[in-house]
Parts: sequence; C-alpha cells; structure tokens
Amino acid sequence: DAGVIQSPRHEVTEMGQEVTLRCKPISGHNSLFWYRQTMMRGLELLIYFNNNVPIDDSGMPEDRFSAKMPNASFSTLKIQPSEPRDSAVYFCASSGGETQYFGPGTRLLVL
Amino acid sequence: RKEVEQDPGPFNVPEGATVAFNCTYSNSASQSFFWYRQDCRKEPKLLMSVYSSGNEDGRFTAQLNRASQYISLLIRDSKLSDSATYLCVVNPHKLIFGTGTRLQVFP
Repeated sequence: DAGVIQSPRHEVTEMGQEVTLRCKPISGHNSLFWYRQTMMRGLELLIYFNNNVPIDDSGMPEDRFSAKMPNASFSTLKIQPSEPRDSAVYFCASSGGETQYFGPGTRLLVL
Repeated sequence: RKEVEQDPGPFNVPEGATVAFNCTYSNSASQSFFWYRQDCRKEPKLLMSVYSSGNEDGRFTAQLNRASQYISLLIRDSKLSDSATYLCVVNPHKLIFGTGTRLQVFP
C-alpha cells in the first residue's frame, strides 16, 4: 500500500522565492497535517485539515505561509516569499483515526 | 515551560541493556499519549500508544502517571536496531510532540 507521498523530497531555493510543497495522503484518511521539524524547535504542527477543511492553523508562522487542500487526495503548503529561517524538514501526515502516518518529508534549504 | 519535555540524551547503552526514558507534559487535559520512533533522516513512526494501566509490546513497556503528568518508555534487552530518537507525544486536542530522546545502542 502506498503511504503518504510528498514532493519534492529536497528543495534548495534562494531567499524571496516561492516554495510549494505537495502531499498526497493515504487513501481513505480524512485528516491531513503539515508539520515542520528543526533541531531547535523539534516537530511543530503548522496546520491540519479534516475532510479537506482547515481546522487549526494556529501553528502557521505568519502570512508568508499558506496551505490548501482542494480535494481529499492532495494538499499544498506554500511559502511566499521564503526566508533562510524557513529551512527545515516539512512533514505531511494523514490519519483515519488517532494514529498519524507521516510522509518521508521535504528537506527545504533557503539560501 | 514547554508542553512536552524530554531529556534529549543521547543515551549510550550496550546491547542487552535496559534503558528508560521519561517525558513530562504540562496540560492536565491531555487524553491520549504515544511514543513515536524516528530514525535518522526519516519520518516519525508510531511505536506504541500509552494506556493508563500501562502496556507492553515485546521488549517495550510504556507507563503513564497522570497525577505526576509523566510518561515513561522502558526498553529491555536493547538491540543495535533500537538506535533512534524516541518522541513523546501527548494529545490534549491535537498531537504535541516532544523534541525527542536520542538512543544509541553500541555492540
């Protein structure tokens, strides 16, 4: 069975550029989560969706970050404009119950 | 104070040793608790849920102390393959992850 799919796996960009991260959740899961992980702050929840509707975006750092889930099988996290402090690993996770299944992550480096 | 606190380690133990990690949480309304495992440069994966009465899964035992608001994970007979970072997770209304405790098992 396919797990959570994320793309790209690695992204290197320059400060000021737009970055779009993509996620395909596990089929049948109705909740989707975006996390950011850094050495200093650990794993932080940015936003989560339930049945494609954003439920809690209190973790989104600022207006430069936005997330969408146009349908049950696709979500995007966009950073515009990107800054060096956005460098981190971004994980997408999905769940059909209480257990969350994580994707492999996108390693983002903003120069 | 962080919502979930863990000793970052690293804990360096020989194969066969028993090792225990603790984790404290601040929100007394937390209803469910988990341990996740994260290998280097990989995604977190659920290791086990933590139940009020304590629970065991093979060499792994998890305990919950609601009065003191801490969770523990005990690993018996450590294997080299247990080397990873162990994340304590609590759920007051959404999953809150600790920053993890790193375990290194050596031959």
